[in-house]
Amino acid sequence: GDSVTQMEGPVTLSEEACLTINCTYTATGYPSLFWYVQYPGEGLQLLLKATKADDKGSNKGFEATYRKETTSFHLEKGSVQVSDSAVYFCALSDRNSGNTGKLIFGQGTTLQVKP
Amino acid sequence: NAGVTQTPKFQVLKTGQSMTLQCAQDMNHNSMYWYRQDPGMGLRLIYYSASEGTTDKGEVPNGYNVSRLNKREFSLRLESAAPSQTSVYFCAGQGGQTYGYTFGSGTRLTVV
Repeated sequence: GDSVTQMEGPVTLSEEACLTINCTYTATGYPSLFWYVQYPGEGLQLLLKATKADDKGSNKGFEATYRKETTSFHLEKGSVQVSDSAVYFCALSDRNSGNTGKLIFGQGTTLQVKP
Repeated sequence: NAGVTQTPKFQVLKTGQSMTLQCAQDMNHNSMYWYRQDPGMGLRLIYYSASEGTTDKGEVPNGYNVSRLNKREFSLRLESAAPSQTSVYFCAGQGGQTYGYTFGSGTRLTVV
């Protein structure tokens, strides 16, 4: 079945460092891809998405490009801040789930940014 | 504000007690979901509802029941709580296949 694999954390960076969180997927067909962020004690919030190959999603300085040839959707940011400390989840929509786009989530990657 | 509202935010139950977690959305979403989040386990789907009047099991449905009361509301019931059901529960709504979920803020449930 469809699946999402994220790099294991925690990832610890100093403020202003570059960030890459790897995400690869296995899917039949052409899923939509998502990144969610969860700040401590809160629910998950949609960070960005891409719905077809070569699309780039971006938000709050974060970017991710839908790469069909490598089945990847890596999350990147050029300069992280302490406020970016959170858990990041990669997800894909399960196009085989009938008329829903039920999401399949990766395990999550914890990012810690130190001042 | 538009979104997904979960109640209660916190709950402590004794083993064997029952309770219902409430979820309501005002975004006119067709699909709604219940997940549980446990350390090291990521998010696991309990039940979902593709549309009003339909429900389906997810990965971990045992010990739970759901009701899609109308388009807005999707409740999760624990008939006889067990310590293994200690978790954070999230409800989510979704407007379509290319749309992501909108999550509620979660219910932290402890079963002692």
